[in-house]
Amino acid sequence: AQRVTQPEKLLSVFKGAPVELKCNYSYSGSPELFWYVQYSRQRLQLLLRHISRESIKGFTADLNKGETSFHLKKPFAQEEDSAMYYCALKGSGNTPLVFGKGTRLSVIA
Amino acid sequence: DGGITQSPKYLFRKEGQNVTLSCEQNLNHDAMYWYRQDPGQGLRLIYYSQIVNDFQKGDIAEGYSVSREKKESFPLTVTSAQKNPTAFYLCASSIAGDSNQPQHFGDGTRLSIL
Repeated sequence: AQRVTQPEKLLSVFKGAPVELKCNYSYSGSPELFWYVQYSRQRLQLLLRHISRESIKGFTADLNKGETSFHLKKPFAQEEDSAMYYCALKGSGNTPLVFGKGTRLSVIA
Repeated sequence: DGGITQSPKYLFRKEGQNVTLSCEQNLNHDAMYWYRQDPGQGLRLIYYSQIVNDFQKGDIAEGYSVSREKKESFPLTVTSAQKNPTAFYLCASSIAGDSNQPQHFGDGTRLSIL
């Protein structure tokens, strides 16, 4: 079975502090992992995906197959990073995304 | 990003009524999805469709129905059998057959019971 676990419902950090939003997954095959973000009053949008190995808005995420993790990191948090973050997994073939329960990031000035 | 349009933005339902939520996309995507978003629950899959005239149940399909008569449209009906329909409903679409392709989401419909 596919499962995504985000252990923190809420994460509060000060502006300029490092951020790490945790994501662990359970999947027997080779997954595709994504991070989605939902800013206040905006639609859910893709932040980044592991296959691209890119940095978006200063965020990065590395897939660690040994630890089955895909944590989202940013070295210096900004107030505009405050949002709801969802980790998602896609299995092989035409399977839909499976989402974690989300972590609300609050960056305090 | 007007690729996916959900309507209405807010919807109210009386007890015992069926209501239909609209989802239209102009992205030429084959696959479309319906999720329900509740606080603390994340996004849970209701139904999805990989191709016209075909759809599959998701994790919480009971009390819901869908149709996929056209590629661009995937309406969701919340029936009276759904005992707790108050939620935020999100529609998404993606290119089918490629697991690297992300899903694109609409703005959502908030359904409330009168």
